[in-house]
Amino acid sequence: EVHLLESGGGLVQPGGSLRLSCAASGFIFSNYAMSWVRQAPGKGLEWVSGISGSAGTTFYADSVKGRFTISRDYSKSTLYLQMNSLRVDDTAVYYCAKAQGAYGSSSLGDYWGLGTLVTVSS
Amino acid sequence: QSALTQPASVSGSPGQSITISCTGTSNDIGGYNYVSWYQQHPGKAPKLMIYEVSNRPSGVSDRFSGSKSGNTASLTISGLQAEDEADYYCSSYTSTNWVFGGGTKLTVL
Repeated sequence: EVHLLESGGGLVQPGGSLRLSCAASGFIFSNYAMSWVRQAPGKGLEWVSGISGSAGTTFYADSVKGRFTISRDYSKSTLYLQMNSLRVDDTAVYYCAKAQGAYGSSSLGDYWGLGTLVTVSS
Repeated sequence: QSALTQPASVSGSPGQSITISCTGTSNDIGGYNYVSWYQQHPGKAPKLMIYEVSNRPSGVSDRFSGSKSGNTASLTISGLQAEDEADYYCSSYTSTNWVFGGGTKLTVL
């Protein structure tokens, strides 16, 4: 059974940094692209970043480019999101999602974690 | 990356059918058959309901169906049930990124 568990969220001041983790199990981690998707309180879904399967090619939304870095550790089957220069409008629940296959095919998420809340406030 | 356009809300009575539209451009919906639909209940994670325009993942009811014409995709739910009340989001691939619609709140009257 596929399982995704995010961690690392919390309260951080504007300009601060945070690293999110997503522990994956139940599938061959290197075979699938992964994404981070966020949802601000009371708002809709926003794709943040994606990473391909074995090659680890990365992609970012314009809103986070240059501030966030997505990576994956194949030995630990874990996805990461390093978030720097955080802003108040980065406040959201951050979900990790497993793609159905390669990056840019099918859908970005057939399985989703429960999410982790990031609050950026002074 | 501009969001896809969905109606803010739709409603229907139990047993009826409803359709939610999702309008994009030739750079996203019109250019790729990688349109997905997600259902999200309050406080829960999104759930994939439709992928590649019209395909249902295993376990999703056949009351849910998807289609596309030009730059507009649609999700149809037939035989509405109380449990279908939720937010629905469309999503499309767009060259290197993914984009979501603003979401549609479905109310079952």
